[in-house]
Amino acid sequence: ELKVEQNPLFLSMQEGKNYTIYCNYSTTSDRLYWYRQDPGKSLESLFVLLSNGAVKQEGRLMASLDTKARLSTLHITAAVHDLSATYFCAAFTSGTYKYIFGTGTRLKVLA
Amino acid sequence: SAVISQKPSRDICQRGTSLTIQCQVDSQVTMMFWYRQQPGQSLTLIATANQGSEATYESGFVIDKFPISRPNLTFSTLTVSNMSPEDSSIYLCSGTGNSGNTIYFGEGSWLTVV
Repeated sequence: ELKVEQNPLFLSMQEGKNYTIYCNYSTTSDRLYWYRQDPGKSLESLFVLLSNGAVKQEGRLMASLDTKARLSTLHITAAVHDLSATYFCAAFTSGTYKYIFGTGTRLKVLA
Repeated sequence: SAVISQKPSRDICQRGTSLTIQCQVDSQVTMMFWYRQQPGQSLTLIATANQGSEATYESGFVIDKFPISRPNLTFSTLTVSNMSPEDSSIYLCSGTGNSGNTIYFGEGSWLTVV
């Protein structure tokens, strides 16, 4: 059964700093997704990673995927307050056709 | 892309009652899923809504408590039956396109059971 874990669960960081959120999954996964959720809102899609070594960047966020290590990372560069939100990764298994979500990382960027 | 609409967006329900959430997609999607997100928690998959047949439920979720219908490729309903305060959650409908590379989410239905 596919399990997805993220760490850290909570992250408080100063503006301008860099940090990485880690997403580990337990079995082979075909795709890895990253989402952002603001309080009281639904999920906003950030990245879809489809193959080993995939790297995608948008603004201050960069996501990567290592399928051999069953690891994805979301790197935050020079954080700003507007990035404060909860970030989820989700892994997809074609065998069972399910999208399983990680535990989430609640990020707070302090001015 | 697909836009997913859910109704109701928010409701306060009495203990012991049932509520049906509707999910409408503006284009055909291959797969539809229902998730639950309890306060401060991650998303938990309730079931896969199968067109024209019974939904496929995840461990811990049963049809009697969460009956699901999907009469066509663009519409699904989730009923939360005999509600208790533990059912207070956000219920999210989602769907995937033909390639399955993108999964779209509705805005969620925020249920509070009192």
